Order: sequence, then structure tokens, then C-alpha cells
Amino acid sequence: AQKITQTQPGMFVQEKEAVTLDCTYDTSDPSYGLFWYKQPSSGEMIFLIYQGSYDQQNATEGRYSLNFQKARKSANLVISASQLGDSAMYFCAMREINTNAGKSTFGDGTTLTVKP
Amino acid sequence: KAGVTQTPRYLIKTRGQQVTLSCSPISGHRSVSWYQQTPGQGLQFLFEYFSETQRNKGNFPGRFSGRQFSNSRSEMNVSTLELGDSALYLCASLEGDRAADTQYFGPGTRLTVL
Repeated sequence: AQKITQTQPGMFVQEKEAVTLDCTYDTSDPSYGLFWYKQPSSGEMIFLIYQGSYDQQNATEGRYSLNFQKARKSANLVISASQLGDSAMYFCAMREINTNAGKSTFGDGTTLTVKP
Repeated sequence: KAGVTQTPRYLIKTRGQQVTLSCSPISGHRSVSWYQQTPGQGLQFLFEYFSETQRNKGNFPGRFSGRQFSNSRSEMNVSTLELGDSALYLCASLEGDRAADTQYFGPGTRLTVL
């Protein structure tokens, strides 16, 4: 069964430093997409970055990069040069393309606090 | 393009009432999914509609239902509200079924059941 695990309920990082948020997943579908979302206190889910199961290179989007290790089934989010505005809840999600293309499975999330 | 919109943003109901939430997807997106978010259960998938047909359904009671119209707008209905239905309800739209297609979320409807 599809499953996403985020083992860090909360993380602290100093402003301007880098931080890694962990995510492991489980699926039997060979074709899947992995996504990271940011949810500030307002509640809206903001898409950050995507990694496909067949992608050979790690995805990057500005200050966000995804450390994809397929054999270990991990997809960690790296935020470089943290800013105060990065304080939010972060969710890792997966879509299985062959079985549940329209459904995302989410982890429990990690609350990131950036300290000045 | 305009993003996903949801109405209303906030709603207060009492137990036993019913409620209808609305979601307008990004133009051109044919898939609309609904999620319930609570502090205790996290983000849970309710159902997905694709081209007016329910394609996927989560593990929720029959009190939760939905539909999608020909213009891809979707509504979600909850009948006989219970206190446990208090949650943030998020709607997401999806262009297609490719791995790279991203679900974009609306701002959510925060439902409080008293």
C-alpha cells in the first residue's frame, strides 16, 4: 500500500542556514510522482517541487532541492539559505500514476521554524 | 491563469445540518480532488472527480458526497454533520494523469460544527 513517512514532527533552523526535511515512501507502482508542499498558518497548500520516479537527476527549484534516492525510497527536501518566511508546515506527497493518478497520499508533515 | 478557488472560506454549522462546499479548478484542469485535514488525522483523501465521473474514493462514510459539473467545477456535500467533521477541506485540481502533473490546491474551506 502507498505510504509516506515524515519522521520529524518539528525542526528548527537558523536564518540563512540550510535544512533537510526527511521523507520516505512505499509503493509498488513503478511510475509515481513525489511532491513537496508548504502550508503556512493560513492553510493554503503551496506546491514547491516535484520529482518523477524515472527522473535521473535531482529536482531543483530556486532555494529548494530534492535529494531523491530511489533505492532507499527517500525524497528529502533541502531548503538552502532559510528565511523567516519559510516557517511553515511542510508535506511530502506521492501520486501513483498507474493505480491512483488523481489521488495524493500525504505524510504527517514537518513543522519548520526559522529562528532569526 | 487563475488558481483554484473555493467558496465559502469559512463556515459554521450545527450538528445534524448539511453543508455544500464549492471548488472551481484551474482552467483546463479536468480532475478535482477533495481532502479533509484535521489535527488528529492529517490530510485524508475524500474523492476525485475526472470529467464528471467519480474516479477515486477514500474511506469516508456515505454522508460525504460530491459531484462535478461539465465546466469542471465541483461541489462537496456533507449531510447530517457531526462534531468530528470540523476540519479544513481542501480542493485540488490536476491537469492530467502524467507523473509530472501537479495537484494545485485552493485556499480551503474551514468548517466548524457546533
